[in-house]
Amino acid sequence: DAGITQSPRHKVTETGTPVTLRCHQTENHRYMYWYRQDPGHGLRLIHYSYGVKDTDKGEVSDGYSVSRSKTEDFLLTLESATSSQTSVYFCAIAAGQGRTDTQYFGPGTRLTVL
Amino acid sequence: GQNIDQPTEMTATEGAIVQINCTYQTSGFNGLFWYQQHAGEAPTFLSYNVLDGLEEKGRFSSFLSRSKGYSYLLLKELQMKDSASYLCAVKSLREGTALIFGKGTTLSVSS
Repeated sequence: DAGITQSPRHKVTETGTPVTLRCHQTENHRYMYWYRQDPGHGLRLIHYSYGVKDTDKGEVSDGYSVSRSKTEDFLLTLESATSSQTSVYFCAIAAGQGRTDTQYFGPGTRLTVL
Repeated sequence: GQNIDQPTEMTATEGAIVQINCTYQTSGFNGLFWYQQHAGEAPTFLSYNVLDGLEEKGRFSSFLSRSKGYSYLLLKELQMKDSASYLCAVKSLREGTALIFGKGTTLSVSS
């Protein structure tokens, strides 16, 4: 257990509404990641963070923004949700030393956009 | 480009041995990971290979050949609880960089 929680765990929203997902960690890890998982695509990186206020885009970042104002929290925001953003969202942290660090995943958030 | 291939589905019976293959083509390489994911749950870490050869962990072993861009996960003495998806992922050379995942192999174990 890497001390990662995600909230909410389930959410149903309507197209065009803003949505924020929260990832919280308790062990002061520097690197945090947001992935989405869809059938036929596997896990794909949305954004990641390498420190407070330091973030970068991943493979599928369009339509998403992130913020990290504290080490323990990494927020993912969908400014205006679309049906194509219906997915399961996983947060991850990297724990270990340098190049051998391993990623551990939170429990996931299932988001449905109607 | 970056590409990771693994079979979509596999089936096996309890007590048997199964090998799940993964081939990869990535720009830079800093290790290969295997994760297990049960339906409706998060991926959980199984193994990590950065050097060529076999790493053994109980009933699970993972092999890497960097020159061939090839890895496999070997599961012995299969149990029903091993029914899950197995995800192959590659890490690039930059520290902290995210993993690149294959689409996963769904393994069904029957009695």
